[in-house]
Amino acid sequence: GENVEQHPSTLSVQEGDSAVIKCTYSDSASNYFPWYKQELGKRPQLIIDIRSNVGEKKDQRIAVTLNKTAKHFSLHITETQPEDSAVYFCAASTGGNKLVFGAGTILRVKS
Amino acid sequence: NAGVTQTPKFRVLKTGQSMTLLCAQDMNHEYMYWYRQDPGMGLRLIHYSVGEGTTAKGEVPDGYNVSRLKKQNFLLGLESAAPSQTSVYFCASSVGPEQYFGPGTRLTVT
Repeated sequence: GENVEQHPSTLSVQEGDSAVIKCTYSDSASNYFPWYKQELGKRPQLIIDIRSNVGEKKDQRIAVTLNKTAKHFSLHITETQPEDSAVYFCAASTGGNKLVFGAGTILRVKS
Repeated sequence: NAGVTQTPKFRVLKTGQSMTLLCAQDMNHEYMYWYRQDPGMGLRLIHYSVGEGTTAKGEVPDGYNVSRLKKQNFLLGLESAAPSQTSVYFCASSVGPEQYFGPGTRLTVT
């Protein structure tokens, strides 16, 4: 089955810097790649997603890139702010609407 | 709309006790899911349902049972709780691949 690896497990950046989180997946049939943000004690919330027919998608300060050949995708956050501090999860879906999640990245934005 | 709700928010069980977690959604979603979240392991799928009256096993189904008697509700049961089932449980629902999560249930088994 699908396996998703996520790096790094923790990431500290200065406010205003960029943050990049990377994920790799194993199943070449995967066609949907969402990113979730989870604040402490809260539910995971979808922040951006990308489908396999698109290479890049942007929404204000966040963007996701997908490299199908290498089977990896990345989350980019620019001009980080303290409220970006959270745990971020990537996921992949091979269809049937099931998701396989990465282990998560704790992002700390220092002001 | 309340979205996805979960009952209870917290629960402490003794080893061997049973309980049922309730998930409800008011978005008319066909698909519903139960995950557990443990430190450093992300979210792992326990069971899921593709519609009323259907259920299927996910990645970590052992020790759990589910039922989907009504489209808006998805129940997760623990027949004989074990300390290894201490976790935070999240329910989610979807109409397509975008899943929407409930607030979670923190379960401790002593």
